[in-house]
Amino acid sequence: GAVVSQHPSWVICKSGTSVKIECRSLDFQATTMFWYRQFPKQSLMLMATSNEGSKATYEQGVEKDKFLINHASLTLSTLTVTSAHPEDSSFYICSARTLGGGTDTQYFGPGTRLTVL
Amino acid sequence: AQRVTQPEKLLSVFKGAPVELKCNYSYSGSPELFWYVQYSRQRLQLLLRHISRESIKGFTADLNKGETSFHLKKPFAQEEDSAMYYCALSRRGGGADGLTFGKGTHLIIQP
Repeated sequence: GAVVSQHPSWVICKSGTSVKIECRSLDFQATTMFWYRQFPKQSLMLMATSNEGSKATYEQGVEKDKFLINHASLTLSTLTVTSAHPEDSSFYICSARTLGGGTDTQYFGPGTRLTVL
Repeated sequence: AQRVTQPEKLLSVFKGAPVELKCNYSYSGSPELFWYVQYSRQRLQLLLRHISRESIKGFTADLNKGETSFHLKKPFAQEEDSAMYYCALSRRGGGADGLTFGKGTHLIIQP
């Protein structure tokens, strides 16, 4: 099946530093990847849509200068949280779109837990 | 804007009892609806989607456009069904769109 990985699985950083999270589709090419954010005991909220070779599309209320998204290849999208602050602490989850097997489906990564001190 | 509502945060039933997890949505177009499941310490997995009309692990869900609902049902619950269940909506269908999720229902199956 389609597998999506994220790295790191968890990260702790100091306030003011930047953190990069990678999302990889391991056995398929993904022209579209999505980034979600999940606060404790809450649902996933879509942050942005990442298309290979073009600028990401951000949801309303998501600061594009704070959450930099790069989709440089068909198997890799990165999310960089710039100048992180404690309120950015959250669980970040990516998904990748596959059209394999005749279906159009998103597969989810395991998530990255970010803690900003 | 679209919205997905799961009214129950927690649902606890006994093994062998029927299960129904409720999901209602609001969207002016023709969305595609999904159920995702997240077992303890695992990633989100697609359980089923309305266009496929499949039964997965004994679960079924029928889209009711009149009631704008997509409830998930299983006639006889099993302990391994204990998990977090999320209803989700895609405006354009398939994987073309980021998903709008409900808040999730934590299903606990008691022995």
